[in-house]
Amino acid sequence: GIQVEQSPPDLILQEGANSTLRCNFSDSVNNLQWFHQNPWGQLINLFYIPSGTKQNGRLSATTVATERYSLLYISSSQTTDSGVYFCAVNSGGSNYKLTFGKGTLLTVNP
Amino acid sequence: NAGVTQTPKFQVLKTGQSMTLQCAQDMNHEYMSWYRQDPGMGLRLIHYSVGAGITDQGEVPNGYNVSRSTTEDFPLRLLSAAPSQTSVYFCASSNHRGPTTDTQYFGPGTRLTVL
Repeated sequence: GIQVEQSPPDLILQEGANSTLRCNFSDSVNNLQWFHQNPWGQLINLFYIPSGTKQNGRLSATTVATERYSLLYISSSQTTDSGVYFCAVNSGGSNYKLTFGKGTLLTVNP
Repeated sequence: NAGVTQTPKFQVLKTGQSMTLQCAQDMNHEYMSWYRQDPGMGLRLIHYSVGAGITDQGEVPNGYNVSRSTTEDFPLRLLSAAPSQTSVYFCASSNHRGPTTDTQYFGPGTRLTVL
């Protein structure tokens, strides 16, 4: 099946710093999503981004499907950005199955 | 809207016991799914459903059963719990086109421990 690799596995920042999270995938996909899991376990969809670039406030994401990677940028990080960031891609050409990476654990210190 | 709700929040079972994890959504979503999350791992798909009466297996279906008799509910059954099923379980739903084209909404999770 498709492999999804995220880097770095852990990241510690001071409030106000910028960061870039990376997601590599092993096969062509027609969908990629980024999720944030807060320290209480709640999962929230951040971006649906099969290709191109999107921005939402301090967060933006870019997917280069031909090179099989996506990047999530967090600017001016805040303590509320802490948590785990997952990327997920559709698996095996199915529209109904998502394969998740293992995530990047982000800690933003005040 | 309550969104996606899951009960219970926490559960401890003994090996061999059975139980049902409940999931309900009030958004009239056709697609619903169950994932498990283990430490240091991403979410892995257990089963999913694209509508009432239609279910299919995900990546890790063994040891779990599902059924979908209504649009709102999608229970997950453990027939004979094993310690390897200790995990956090998430239910999710999205519109009929599925999670790869529509936003997927997650429930708060159920933390299950099997002794």
